[in-house]
Amino acid sequence: GEDVEQSLFLSVREGDSSVINCTYTDSSSTYLYWYKQEPGAGLQLLTYIFSNMDMKQDQRLTVLLNKKDKHLSLRIADTQTGDSAIYFCAESTNTGFQKLVFGTGTRLLVSP
Amino acid sequence: GAVVSQHPSRVICKSGTSVKIECRSLDFQATTMFWYRQFPKQSLMLMATSNEGSKATYEQGVEKDKFLINHASLTLSTLTVTSAHPEDSSFYICSARDRGQSYQPQHFGDGTRLSIL
Repeated sequence: GEDVEQSLFLSVREGDSSVINCTYTDSSSTYLYWYKQEPGAGLQLLTYIFSNMDMKQDQRLTVLLNKKDKHLSLRIADTQTGDSAIYFCAESTNTGFQKLVFGTGTRLLVSP
Repeated sequence: GAVVSQHPSRVICKSGTSVKIECRSLDFQATTMFWYRQFPKQSLMLMATSNEGSKATYEQGVEKDKFLINHASLTLSTLTVTSAHPEDSSFYICSARDRGQSYQPQHFGDGTRLSIL
């Protein structure tokens, strides 16, 4: 079955870049997504990438996709304290309902 | 942007009570909605897929008689936790898939914190 893994924790200083990594197993996934979850809240869609793309940039966010290695990363430039949250990568399954399979989540802590 | 409204945000009730949670897509139609459960410091666990006008599809190990799902319209799905017990206490999150976008994202509600005493 599908399996999505992430490192559990990342700590950076304000102003640095953060890189959150994700590995997935379903090579037939059409889209891959990054979501942000703040304490006690739902998930906010940050960005997505189509499987035939290598890179996508959206303001401070850069997504890199290595389809051969099934590796996805999210780079946050000029990280701010407000970026502290849990970040989930997710792949869409290639089934009728296109369910999402979520990674384990990476807790990002940004210190001043 | 696409907004999904989930209510209530917090429920505290006695054991044996049934609790209904609503999930609404406010500015788009959603033929498919999803219900998740999240344990502390863990990822989301998909419970069921809710389809407008038909029966929900439950994931393995999820009791369909315990967690009743109704998707009566293109903008509303409800989850009813029947005869809730303390072990049902959790954070429940819904999402709605926006088929109007080419990448068909799931947009999430803010979650419901359910506490059973």
